[in-house]
Amino acid sequence: DAGVIQSPRHEVTEMGQEVTLRCKPISGHNSLFWYRQTMMRGLELLIYFNNNVPIDDSGMPEDRFSAKMPNASFSTLKIQPSEPRDSAVYFCASSREGNGYTFGSGTRLTVV
Amino acid sequence: AQSVSQHNHHVILSEAASLELGCNYSYGGTVNLFWYVQYPGQHLQLLLKYFSGDPLVKGIKGFEAEFIKSKFSFNLRKPSVQWSDTAEYFCAVNRNAGKSTFGDGTTLTVKP
Repeated sequence: DAGVIQSPRHEVTEMGQEVTLRCKPISGHNSLFWYRQTMMRGLELLIYFNNNVPIDDSGMPEDRFSAKMPNASFSTLKIQPSEPRDSAVYFCASSREGNGYTFGSGTRLTVV
Repeated sequence: AQSVSQHNHHVILSEAASLELGCNYSYGGTVNLFWYVQYPGQHLQLLLKYFSGDPLVKGIKGFEAEFIKSKFSFNLRKPSVQWSDTAEYFCAVNRNAGKSTFGDGTTLTVKP
């Protein structure tokens, strides 16, 4: 299994631009999670899906952030418009029925 | 609300020293317990997990953890650390489904 696949690995964008992060979970995993990690705030859960349905989006910072999971093998996290304070590493993780998470390698986002 | 406490934010040890990282959780029901490791610049990886049975679980790289139900604890141990164990360690608790709750993490620095 290739694991959880995230793209891009690195993204540098200008303030105000739209950013789309992508995630392919492990086949058979029914839960998908988006996390953000910074030195200041640590690891933060943004949103999670179960069977492609958003269950808890209380961690989404504001309306500039949105996430979708159109099918079991793909999810996106979009920031529009992006701001410098959005700079962070964004991790996607998947799991099956309360088992441990498998994390992707992350997307390092820099907004200048 | 369920919470996970990791008492030590930063631990510094010399090589060959023994390690114990504390983890306590607040939920009183049936839980699944996990330890994750994040090496510098990498993503979180599952180190070990406990679902049921023998409360002493062994994970990769010589790590083990003991579940003590009466103390709501799941401490991580290693008899002799190596420089390569330098990383951040996260404890997590899951109530058999849905999302896990992560602790704030403990940074371990092993001096050569």
